[in-house]
Amino acid sequence: QLRLQESGPGLVKTSETLSLTCTVSGGSICTSTHYWALIRQPPGKGLEWVGSVYCSGTTYYNPSLMGRATMSVDTSKDHFYLKMNSVTAADTAVYYCARHLGLTTKSFDVWGQGTMVTVSS
Amino acid sequence: QSVLTQPPSVSGAPGQRVTISCTGSNSNIGAGYAVHWYQQLPGTAPKLLISDNNIRPSGVPDRFSGSKSGTSASLAITGLQAEDEADYYCQSYDASLGARVFGGGTTLTVL
Repeated sequence: QLRLQESGPGLVKTSETLSLTCTVSGGSICTSTHYWALIRQPPGKGLEWVGSVYCSGTTYYNPSLMGRATMSVDTSKDHFYLKMNSVTAADTAVYYCARHLGLTTKSFDVWGQGTMVTVSS
Repeated sequence: QSVLTQPPSVSGAPGQRVTISCTGSNSNIGAGYAVHWYQQLPGTAPKLLISDNNIRPSGVPDRFSGSKSGTSASLAITGLQAEDEADYYCQSYDASLGARVFGGGTTLTVL
């Protein structure tokens, strides 16, 4: 059974770079059809798609992030990563790893448990 | 302000039927992009409830159903149970934004 597990620093200082790792287990990160995504949820608020990465390294981001997010993949470790620079308090959220088929229209069918990231000076 | 609009809350008594609406526009739902629904129980990660407008993943009870018409979609829950108390989110793709988008979420209370 496919499982996703997020890991991160917990606390990041304002203006610095947030780094998260998502570990894929119970299956390969490199399939012909699956993309891997980061979705975040600020405390008490709704969900926001951050971006998606394919095992080839192709990436797609939410334009609302103004180019601050970078995702990458390490197929040898079945890991994918998020780096987000110039963070502010508005980036404080639970960050979820998720999987989806295809590019634009398919659902997020597998989710990790989430990891809380707090941005503070 | 979310691109997809949901009512903040709905409620119903056990056994009743409730619906949750998700209103979009011609750049997302109205453009033909699929709508998906997620259930988020308190303190847990979201779980896929309905995909591609009306498809229930394996393990989701048939009390849950989805529909779509024009620029809107709906989630219906029949035979309401206490365990259905959760937040529900709709999700689609917006071509104008070039992004996957979520509704603001609806909190279901079972009275």
